[in-house]
Amino acid sequence: DGGITQSPKYLFRKEGQNVTLSCEQNLNHDAMYWYRQDPGQGLRLIYYSQIVNDFQKGDIAEGYSVSREKKESFPLTVTSAQKNPTAFYLCASSIGRDKSNQPQHFGDGTRLSIL
Amino acid sequence: GNSVTQMEGPVTLSEEAFLTINCTYTATGYPSLFWYVQYPGEGLQLLLKATKADDKGSNKGFEATYRKETTSFHLEKGSVQVSDSAVYFCALKKAAGNKLTFGGGTRVLVKP
Repeated sequence: DGGITQSPKYLFRKEGQNVTLSCEQNLNHDAMYWYRQDPGQGLRLIYYSQIVNDFQKGDIAEGYSVSREKKESFPLTVTSAQKNPTAFYLCASSIGRDKSNQPQHFGDGTRLSIL
Repeated sequence: GNSVTQMEGPVTLSEEAFLTINCTYTATGYPSLFWYVQYPGEGLQLLLKATKADDKGSNKGFEATYRKETTSFHLEKGSVQVSDSAVYFCALKKAAGNKLTFGGGTRVLVKP
């Protein structure tokens, strides 16, 4: 079955530590996205990538970094500069550029907490 | 800029009641509109979509009509079940680029 796999499901971070969240898709989608969701709130875009080896900052990129070395993978690193990292992180993908009528498909999320 | 406004929840209903969740948007041009559903502890699932004015999206008994004159995309279901308890998100996507703009989400709780 095609889909998006996020791992781990739960992650704990110590103070001053960087952690990396994995996102893999086998849908052959060009575009991938990372969102942050805080309790009782909507989704905010952290970073997105329209194509391999290219990515852009979203609305709340500070304290985060990404890479897009392979089409199917878009890992997110939460750095120690992110002072409030506790949240639910969602990865998504979509077919590609300028396909406005195509939806984004989401993974099941990673819940990150501070130790 | 683009924005999506949803009615605030929680919305609490009895089983078999009629559900309406209001969604209005601000955008130039002709965006595509989506409803997503999020069950507890899970990611978002696409519920339905509409890509042009007067289109009606439907799925699993849910419906929403793209109303350009009122810039709205209200979600409706005629008879809800306990299993419909979830958070519902309205979203739009412009023709240029792939970014989704989400509303704040509406939590729905259906009681037996």
